[in-house]
Amino acid sequence: NAGVMQNPRHLVRRRGQEARLRCSPMKGHSHVYWYRQLPEEGLKFMVYLQKENIIDESGMPKERFSAEFPKEGPSILRIQQVVRGDSAAYFCASSPTGGSGEQYFGPGTRLTVT
Amino acid sequence: GENVEQHPSTLSVQEGDSAVIKCTYSDSASNYFPWYKQELGKRPQLIIDIRSNVGEKKDQRIAVTLNKTAKHFSLHITETQPEDSAVYFCAASNYVDMRFGAGTRLTVKP
Repeated sequence: NAGVMQNPRHLVRRRGQEARLRCSPMKGHSHVYWYRQLPEEGLKFMVYLQKENIIDESGMPKERFSAEFPKEGPSILRIQQVVRGDSAAYFCASSPTGGSGEQYFGPGTRLTVT
Repeated sequence: GENVEQHPSTLSVQEGDSAVIKCTYSDSASNYFPWYKQELGKRPQLIIDIRSNVGEKKDQRIAVTLNKTAKHFSLHITETQPEDSAVYFCAASNYVDMRFGAGTRLTVKP
């Protein structure tokens, strides 16, 4: 059973470009969470999704950020018009049950905005 | 929403000593409390967890205790080894989502 997959592992974007981060959950998991981690800091919750539904997006910036988890394919975190402050590691985690279920993390995507 | 506080932010111990990390949470509906270990440049890895119907759980050198009345839980690592050096995160989860503490950087000196 493959673990949580994220790609790309490293992404470099110039200011103003778009960044698309992908997350494939573990087989059988239908709950996906996205977190942002700045260097030397903790994990900040961004959004919680189930297939085709956003359950909680209270941690997502109101502008430029969006997330989806379609019926088929990976979950996508999209950042439009990136700025230097968006540089961070973005982790996704998947869970079989959501809520009080165990979350398993992917390897992360390290976004660098130049 | 849930708010998780974690102390200390850094902890340095001598190899063989014990390490204790403490967390408090605010949402009385939280019922699941995992601990994650993150080595430099790696993903967070679940090392132990506890649910609200249990007061203590142990797995070899690692143990977690939960006090629901006081809304705090702790991670205990005994006989620490250099490979225990990492950042440790606590988290609290209700039926909807999970919130993490800010992390504790543990250094075990040989």
